[in-house]
Amino acid sequence: GAGVSQSPSNKVTEKGKDVELRCDPISGHTALYWYRQRLGQGLEFLIYFQGNSAPDKSGLPSDRFSAERTGESVSTLTIQRTQQEDSAVYLCASSQDGTLPTDTQYFGPGTRLTVL
Amino acid sequence: GDSVTQMEGPVTLSEEAFLTINCTYTATGYPSLFWYVQYPGEGLQLLLKATKADDKGSNKGFEATYRKETTSFHLEKGSVQVSDSAVYFCALSDSGNTPLVFGKGTRLSVIA
Repeated sequence: GAGVSQSPSNKVTEKGKDVELRCDPISGHTALYWYRQRLGQGLEFLIYFQGNSAPDKSGLPSDRFSAERTGESVSTLTIQRTQQEDSAVYLCASSQDGTLPTDTQYFGPGTRLTVL
Repeated sequence: GDSVTQMEGPVTLSEEAFLTINCTYTATGYPSLFWYVQYPGEGLQLLLKATKADDKGSNKGFEATYRKETTSFHLEKGSVQVSDSAVYFCALSDSGNTPLVFGKGTRLSVIA
């Protein structure tokens, strides 16, 4: 079946502009995660959605970052007033349940964001 | 807080060599452990996982055993191929409703 999809695959923007990144999780997956991967670094957690619960925003690096999710489907990550340090690959993942540590997360191909 | 430490790369091996990538962790609870792989130009894929002590995860000739006494989950393969060239990430999930905690990744290059 279809995996996690993300769009756009690449985004180049100018410093100070807002950007929106989109994630379509695997159908039926109730949990959705956003991570950031900066060049040469591991993945940093940003935000997590589980069903209708309030999202876990503990990984968001600043108030310029926000995310929404429509029900148990599409999510958008918005970065306002982008800075050069926001340049990274933004990865979305989904999992079937998200309430068990044994749950496997499936990752999308990522959006490569470059802020000039 | 929880953390994962994996060996620094890059690692360069000849084809058919034995591979070990070390991974150790700290966790407050009883985590599940994962190895993810990122092939050039592709997204992150689950390679294998283990959910309790002494479990062995295996896939594509790779193995890793969950060692609670040494808090380790080292990745091994007996004979690497050029197609195994990728970045390998060790990760843990400590409880439900929490994200994965990743190591920094180890780049493996296998030369013919």
